[in-house]
Amino acid sequence: EVLLLESGGGLVQPGGSLRLSCAASGFTFSSHAMTWVRQAPGRGLEWVSGISGGGSTNTYYADSVKGRFTISRDSSKNTLYLQINSLRAEDTAVYYCARTANPQWDYGEYDFWGQGTLVTVSS
Amino acid sequence: DIQMTQSPSTLSASVGDRVTITCRASQNIGSWLAWYQQRPGKAPKLLIYKASTLESGVPSRFSGSGSGTEFTLTISGLQPDDFATYYCQQYNSYSTFGQGTKLEIK
Repeated sequence: EVLLLESGGGLVQPGGSLRLSCAASGFTFSSHAMTWVRQAPGRGLEWVSGISGGGSTNTYYADSVKGRFTISRDSSKNTLYLQINSLRAEDTAVYYCARTANPQWDYGEYDFWGQGTLVTVSS
Repeated sequence: DIQMTQSPSTLSASVGDRVTITCRASQNIGSWLAWYQQRPGKAPKLLIYKASTLESGVPSRFSGSGSGTEFTLTISGLQPDDFATYYCQQYNSYSTFGQGTKLEIK
């Protein structure tokens, strides 16, 4: 069974930092591209960042987070990370990790999602 | 960047109705489009990919069509579980979601 479990969210002051983690199990983690998608309270889904699989390390970012967020993965730990710096109030959201369905592609549709971790940016 | 526009934003319908949600892309994305269902407090669930391919386990009352810049999600014979928010996603050029369509009970 494919499982994705996010952690690391919490309350942080503006300008602060957090590192989110997504522990994966039930599939060959290294093969699949992975992504982070966020959802602000009462709002829609926003793609944030993605990282390729299959041994390459291509990374992709939404313009809204470029330069502040860093995505990475540790295939020895089957874990995806998102380092988020210089946090702003508008970064307040539930952050989901998701798996790209096709292991051949850097991006595509997302067939499995975690339950999300809430990041709240407030003083 | 590719923008995705869904319509309507809110849709009121009754159990048993047939409903259609539209998603338009700001440029040609071929068939690289997916649809998701999200219930309150839950993660999104993949329904359809490559514009018209039904994800395994998804009921056949869900169908998708379109290519290029215009796409539709149709639900035939609404069930109580179908009242949720629906999102389209393009993946021709990384990823962009539409703003969502909330399907409400009339």
